[in-house]
Amino acid sequence: AQSVTQLGSHVSVSEGALVLLRCNYSSSVPPYLFWYVQYPNQGLQLLLKYTSAATLVKGINGFEAEFKKSETSFHLTKPSAHMSDAAEYFCAVASYNQGGKLIFGQGTELSVKP
Amino acid sequence: DAGVTQSPTHLIKTRGQQVTLRCSPKSGHDTVSWYQQALGQGPQFIFQYYEEEERQRGNFPDRFSGHQFPNYSSELNVNALLLGDSALYLCASSTDRDQETQYFGPGTRLLVL
Repeated sequence: AQSVTQLGSHVSVSEGALVLLRCNYSSSVPPYLFWYVQYPNQGLQLLLKYTSAATLVKGINGFEAEFKKSETSFHLTKPSAHMSDAAEYFCAVASYNQGGKLIFGQGTELSVKP
Repeated sequence: DAGVTQSPTHLIKTRGQQVTLRCSPKSGHDTVSWYQQALGQGPQFIFQYYEEEERQRGNFPDRFSGHQFPNYSSELNVNALLLGDSALYLCASSTDRDQETQYFGPGTRLLVL
């Protein structure tokens, strides 16, 4: 069975600091991996996805994530946080033999201090 | 190009009632998935529709049912509402060729009293 674990339900950084949100997955087959962002009272917006091409994936708004098979990780990073990055971030996994069923982590709330 | 739209945005029901939520997929998409997001949790997969048929289902009881129309829009029906059904219901659309890459609507917030 597939699963996703997001380490840290809440992360706080200062504006301009590095953002690092952690995600570990479990999958018996090569996974597809995603990061989504959710602003208050809104739906989910796709930030980036990994589908077995390059291991370093660049997304929107300056975010990127690196797929590390040996560590079963897919951590999300951004070199310099902006106030507008404050939101809830979700990591999700899917597999080619599960169709479009996304399995989400519990989410990490990112706060950005001025 | 309109994205995924959902209606209504908010809904209040009482226990035992029935509710219908609606979703229109992104232009060019033919597959619709529904998720339930309880407060403080990640979304949980309910089911997916393609070619007007339920293609895959998560661990939700039969009280949860759906429908897809020829224009690819979809409905989620929940019967015999329980307090625990209070949540944000998210619709996501994709193409059959790329089912995993899903674009979400703004959701319908359901409160069951």
